Amino acid sequence: KNEVEQSPQNLTAQEGEFITINCSYSVGISALHWLQQHPGGGIVSLFMLSSGKKKHGRLIATINIQEKHSSLHITASHPRDSAVYICAVPNFGNEKLTFGTGTRLTIIP
Amino acid sequence: DTGVSQNPRHKITKRGQNVTFRCDPISEHNRLYWYRQTLGQGPEFLTYFQNEAQLEKSRLLSDRFSAERPKGSFSTLEIQRTEQGDSAMYLCASSPNFSREAFFGQGTRLTVV
Repeated sequence: KNEVEQSPQNLTAQEGEFITINCSYSVGISALHWLQQHPGGGIVSLFMLSSGKKKHGRLIATINIQEKHSSLHITASHPRDSAVYICAVPNFGNEKLTFGTGTRLTIIP
Repeated sequence: DTGVSQNPRHKITKRGQNVTFRCDPISEHNRLYWYRQTLGQGPEFLTYFQNEAQLEKSRLLSDRFSAERPKGSFSTLEIQRTEQGDSAMYLCASSPNFSREAFFGQGTRLTVV
């Protein structure tokens, strides 16, 4: 079973700061998901990546397959970025996801 | 297509009652997953359907839980004789075949009192 760990568990920052959230996993994978969950509970997929780097607006995700590590960065953070960010890895074959425990991000104006 | 839809969004029930949740996946998505998320934790896998076939069930899915996906479209998750420990967010996700993408619904938050 793949173990997925995230750090930090909680992160509070001032508006405008550069944010980094880390994710490590124990078993080799073909892809990794970064997800965002707002207080209402619904989950939105931010990225799915299998190598290198992806960018969408102020969000950047990187993955190092050899080191079994991924990072999510937020540039010029804004209070509306406040949410829980979760990384998840799929199981080979049925693609069911194993999730990290999430990072609760709070951006203070 | 409006995405994955879950109903109800919230459910409060008394201990011992039965509850049923519904998930409507994105049309033509063959794979459907149920996950459960307790407070402060990441979601955990419950069960997985490929079309109408339930191919995998987690040990978390006790005999009080049953899930169906008749005709390979919408799915229902029923919990019988609810317990306070069943209080959680129940999430549904769907994926097309041959894709690693996952599309999530808004979840159903269950509170057992």
